[in-house]
Amino acid sequence: GQQVMQIPQYQHVQEGEDFTTYCNSSTTLSNIQWYKQRPGGHPVFLIQLVKSGEVKKQKRLTFQFGEAKKNSSLHITATQTTDVGTYFCAFQVAGGYNKLIFGAGTRLAVHP
Amino acid sequence: GAGVSQTPSNKVTEKGKYVELRCDPISGHTALYWYRQSLGQGPEFLIYFQGTGAADDSGLPNDRFFAVRPEGSVSTLKIQRTERGDSAVYLCASSLGTAPNYGYTFGSGTRLTVV
Repeated sequence: GQQVMQIPQYQHVQEGEDFTTYCNSSTTLSNIQWYKQRPGGHPVFLIQLVKSGEVKKQKRLTFQFGEAKKNSSLHITATQTTDVGTYFCAFQVAGGYNKLIFGAGTRLAVHP
Repeated sequence: GAGVSQTPSNKVTEKGKYVELRCDPISGHTALYWYRQSLGQGPEFLIYFQGTGAADDSGLPNDRFFAVRPEGSVSTLKIQRTERGDSAVYLCASSLGTAPNYGYTFGSGTRLTVV
């Protein structure tokens, strides 16, 4: 079935460095959502992207949806220790109503 | 309520026993989902309710798993004859409407351990 690949699986950065995670699909996606899960917590909705080439910003976080709608990225500028967690992309299955399929996530560690 | 409430937060059961996991979604959210998350993995879809009916139960792994939402609000995930492989965090989420306009609000999950 449809799935997405998230890379990298794990990233370790020093506080203040930038971080980017990528979500790639072999098929065109109708939309994509991003979630953050803190260690020991549950996924928290961050944003959704719908349009080809769409770029959205939330403070230090920048989300992009590729022109072909087959990939997406999340970029964090000047990471802070509060950014620690796992970032998941999720997409709506074609014809699958509201069912979201999640990627395996990218785990971010930030060292002060 | 203010958020999605799941009970119990932890459940330890013996292999072969029956368990029920409860989810109380945000008031007014018609869509309710159950996911299962194993360590180091993303949430895995189990079942989706729109109102009282199961709109999509394609993620239920086998007939030992069943879920209900009789009044369109609280949902119960039921697992019969539990196996050690059922151990995971079971997450419930609700949303006001359908994607792409709405994201999910997840509960804190029930950590199920089958010994």
